[in-house]
Amino acid sequence: DAGVTQSPTHLIKTRGQQVTLRCSPKSGHDTVSWYQQALGQGPQFIFQYYEEEERQRGNFPDRFSGHQFPNYSSELNVNALLLGDSALYLCASSWGGVANYGYTFGSGTRLTVV
Amino acid sequence: AQTVTQSQPEMSVQEAETVTLSCTYDTSENNYYLFWYKQPPSRQMILVIRQEAYKQQNATENRFSVNFQKAAKSFSLKISDSQLGDTAMYFCAFMKPNTGNQFYFGTGTSLTVIP
Repeated sequence: DAGVTQSPTHLIKTRGQQVTLRCSPKSGHDTVSWYQQALGQGPQFIFQYYEEEERQRGNFPDRFSGHQFPNYSSELNVNALLLGDSALYLCASSWGGVANYGYTFGSGTRLTVV
Repeated sequence: AQTVTQSQPEMSVQEAETVTLSCTYDTSENNYYLFWYKQPPSRQMILVIRQEAYKQQNATENRFSVNFQKAAKSFSLKISDSQLGDTAMYFCAFMKPNTGNQFYFGTGTSLTVIP
């Protein structure tokens, strides 16, 4: 039973560029949430996708956008990268009805903006 | 707004000893969930223990137990018989149900188990 898979594991981008991060949820899960974890901080909620729609959004600018595909996988896109976007980006999957029980995190994508 | 505070940035404990990590939170909600997550160097967040606010009994999972004080909004984690594999970052987290189920995390406590 595969867990949550994120790609790539590491990424270096230049300020102003755009980046796409990918997440495949755990088998049987239909909901994907994205979190940003800056160095020395706890993860902060970016948004959640369910049934291919953004269901909930945290306090992040519109430069952060996402998508969920029919197979429940998801992408996180960040435009016009800033140095402050450097962080570990975590994806978590769950089942829409009981997310508080079944949350499973991936190992994240480490994004470095130079 | 929900906030979670972990006032101990770093802690250490001798192998086989007991250690307690502190967490306080602020919310006006009456129904919510509290969690402790472990993040080892592999970076994956691993659930250690969870507590439903409506349950008065403290949750336990093998060597891990919590002291949940709802009135004081305190949620500490006790690790008994500490093992080298317990070395990791520990995050306290709050979740309000039926609002997209998003976590609010504290800033974490780095725990080192000394052999």
